[in-house]
Amino acid sequence: AQSVAQPEDQVNVAEGNPLTVKCTYSVSGNPYLFWYVQYPNRGLQFLLKYITGDNLVKGSYGFEAEFNKSQTSFHLKKPSALVSDSALYFCAVRDRGNRDDKIIFGKGTRLHILP
Amino acid sequence: DAGVTQSPTHLIKTRGQQVTLRCSPKSGHDTVSWYQQALGQGPQFIFQYYEEEERQRGNFPDRFSGHQFPNYSSELNVNALLLGDSALYLCASSSGWLLTGELFFGEGSRLTVL
Repeated sequence: AQSVAQPEDQVNVAEGNPLTVKCTYSVSGNPYLFWYVQYPNRGLQFLLKYITGDNLVKGSYGFEAEFNKSQTSFHLKKPSALVSDSALYFCAVRDRGNRDDKIIFGKGTRLHILP
Repeated sequence: DAGVTQSPTHLIKTRGQQVTLRCSPKSGHDTVSWYQQALGQGPQFIFQYYEEEERQRGNFPDRFSGHQFPNYSSELNVNALLLGDSALYLCASSSGWLLTGELFFGEGSRLTVL
């Protein structure tokens, strides 16, 4: 089965600095990878996805993610952090079998942007 | 264009009771997936409904069951509630059962079991 790992429970970044939230994956075949964000007491919101093509994927709110096949990573990045970026971030992978197709989420990384 | 709507937003039950949670998918979507998110954890896949059938299921006991109606809305039922069932239950909709695109999530139903 496919899986994703988010090695950091929490990441602290000063406002205006670049941010990175890490994700590694384990898949058989070509990966379909996603990033979602969750604000307090809300559902998840889609940020971006990688299916094929350029290794640098651009998404919502100025976020981007870099797909690295050799390192099996899909790190989320932003050049300049905002306080409003503080939230819970989830990496996810598509897990497709013979008769099923579902999205599996990591445990999440809490991002704190310090003013 | 209404997004995914879930009801109720909050509810409190006691052990052994039964609960039904409801979800209306985003307009144009026909597939509904249910997730359980315990406090401080990532969402865990419960099951997915497409064409009124349960297409796939995660590692959840038979106490968790569901239904999809002809208008694509869905219900999640949990019987014989346990304390460990306390969580945020998220509904996500998509178009078609092959998940090449994004999931659209509702804001969830927070269940507390006492």
